[in-house]
Amino acid sequence: GAVVSQHPSWVICKSGTSVKIECRSLDFQATTMFWYRQFPKQSLMLMATSNEGSKATYEQGVEKDKFLINHASLTLSTLTVTSAHPEDSSFYICSARSGLALTSYEQYFGPGTRLTVT
Amino acid sequence: DAKTTQPPSMDCAEGRAANLPCNHSTISGNEYVYWYRQIHSQGPQYIIHGLKNNETNEMASLIITEDRKSSTLILPHATLRDTAVYYCIVRVSGGSYIPTFGRGTSLIVHP
Repeated sequence: GAVVSQHPSWVICKSGTSVKIECRSLDFQATTMFWYRQFPKQSLMLMATSNEGSKATYEQGVEKDKFLINHASLTLSTLTVTSAHPEDSSFYICSARSGLALTSYEQYFGPGTRLTVT
Repeated sequence: DAKTTQPPSMDCAEGRAANLPCNHSTISGNEYVYWYRQIHSQGPQYIIHGLKNNETNEMASLIITEDRKSSTLILPHATLRDTAVYYCIVRVSGGSYIPTFGRGTSLIVHP
């Protein structure tokens, strides 16, 4: 199956700093990528949807100026958490969807990035 | 998309079959039943999906009732590595779908 990678797998940063998380589709072109956040013992919550070459669509309650999403190529999307605070500590997961019609229903998930803000 | 209802937790013995139920009584005719699982601190993993016929792959079997209002995911010989949260999602096929997750079922496989 298709592979999605995330980097880094975990990161610790100080409050007030920014951190960037990369999501890559390794063997397919992802026209759409999704970013999720998961707090302990909770389900995945969709943060935003990004299509290659266009601005991301954010879910209600997600601050677009705080969580900057860039999807500049068909294999890479980045999520930048700006001015991070301890409450932003979470497990961030990306998901990619191919633009091919036959597989467009398939969601391929990355392994997740554990962010801890101290 | 139709809503799903799953038990919050289940357990089974290693080597036995794990049967995970999912209710989706408001499912529409063009909606598929998808199953994913998430092992602790990992991203979700696709397991199987179906429309109305039973499906089987190397990971699991999916049994969908004739009225399509419920389904069961079967792990025929559960192992300790199958301990995970299992999510049942009902969705249409096609590129416009935006995936959302409920609370799922936490399956614990014990020795």
